[in-house]
Amino acid sequence: SSELTQDAAVSVALGQTVRITCQGDSLINYYASWYQQKPGLAPILVISHQHRRPSGIPDRFSGSRSGNTASLTITGTQAEDAADYYCHSRDSSGQHWVFGGGTKLTVL
Amino acid sequence: QVQLQESGPGLVTPSETLSLTCSVTGGSINSYYWSWIRQPPGKGLEWMGFVYYTGSTNYIPSLQSRVSMSVDRSKNGVSLKLTSVTAADTAIYYCARGSQDFDIWGQGILVTVSS
Repeated sequence: SSELTQDAAVSVALGQTVRITCQGDSLINYYASWYQQKPGLAPILVISHQHRRPSGIPDRFSGSRSGNTASLTITGTQAEDAADYYCHSRDSSGQHWVFGGGTKLTVL
Repeated sequence: QVQLQESGPGLVTPSETLSLTCSVTGGSINSYYWSWIRQPPGKGLEWMGFVYYTGSTNYIPSLQSRVSMSVDRSKNGVSLKLTSVTAADTAIYYCARGSQDFDIWGQGILVTVSS
């Protein structure tokens, strides 16, 4: 099991807001990044450094942290946001990196 | 525009060595970390490690004894070697730029370990 824990699956109604969480002790000290992966494609970076949005990523994507939990929030979810989402940060030793197990987002 | 392309055998025999290359086009390997990430079919992502352009490396502990990553300046790329492979090493292997914020990814290459 990963040192970063994510819900396996989350669903959201079209146009609504969804929060995808990532929990782990290392997140108290280290920032999380978030990746979106659609079937058959390589992942893409949607949030870096906890809350920075790379060029080309819609502003409906945002990142935050509270304690040992990092969150990816999608406001006004679109059908094209249906994908797997992975968090990424350092492991508990702080010496290496690890991905969360991933969350499958379904847009209803 | 920087692009990454993984290449290498798509089929490796158990107990042999998996060798992949990541070619970087449209930019230099200098000043960046280059990571390898793999994804078994139908499963999640696993960070394997990275190599800095200077040659320094950092590997996930579970692969430490079997993995090596290096820089190939003549080809403007990086390489991955994984020894003593088993079926559990069957995965899509991606190279990506960065040590945590992977802003550019290759398309990935499926490597199957089978006799």
